[in-house]
Amino acid sequence: NAGVTQTPKFRILKIGQSMTLQCTQDMNHNYMYWYRQDPGMGLKLIYYSVGAGITDKGEVPNGYNVSRSTTEDFPLRLELAAPSQTSVYFCASSYSAPGGNQPQHFGDGTRLSIL
Amino acid sequence: DQQVKQNSPSLSVQEGRISILNCDYTNSMFDYFLWYKKYPAEGPTFLISISSIKDKNEDGRFTVFLNKSAKHLSLHIVPSQPGDSAVYFCAARVGYGNKLVFGAGTILRVKS
Repeated sequence: NAGVTQTPKFRILKIGQSMTLQCTQDMNHNYMYWYRQDPGMGLKLIYYSVGAGITDKGEVPNGYNVSRSTTEDFPLRLELAAPSQTSVYFCASSYSAPGGNQPQHFGDGTRLSIL
Repeated sequence: DQQVKQNSPSLSVQEGRISILNCDYTNSMFDYFLWYKKYPAEGPTFLISISSIKDKNEDGRFTVFLNKSAKHLSLHIVPSQPGDSAVYFCAARVGYGNKLVFGAGTILRVKS
């Protein structure tokens, strides 16, 4: 049981390049989330999805795009990488809205540096 | 606008003693509070939660207390073990919403 899998684990990008962070889950969860964590800060929500074909913005969506064509996959796209996007990115999933009996399950993160 | 605050960046405790991690919040519309634990190079893992209609929830060595009038919650770990050394995040959900708001985390070090 893999849970939430994120690829790649590490990546260095040049300013202006683009890339896609991959996230897949095998728990048949409806809800999926992308967070970023900057040093000394909590997790900030970038985008989330409550099911295939449905996405919505979180706190910090600028500079990112997402799509959700299947239940399993929720890729995060950076179109024009900027140094401010240097961060650790976490993908998470849950069966329904997060609460007492439906905690979010997290992947191990992608560490992204923009130089 | 930090709606969830963990004012202690770090805490050091002796093995076997109690660890108390604190969290303050400003939004009275939060209806669920969760604690996550994170080891280096791993994602956060769920630890324990509490509904806003309760004031205490216990799970083994972990107990969460909620004081709604003070908008304060705390996580108690008794007894603390070296394997508890990690970053602990407090998170809250706006009533019936789809999103969590996270605090900045507290680094717990349990010394043996």
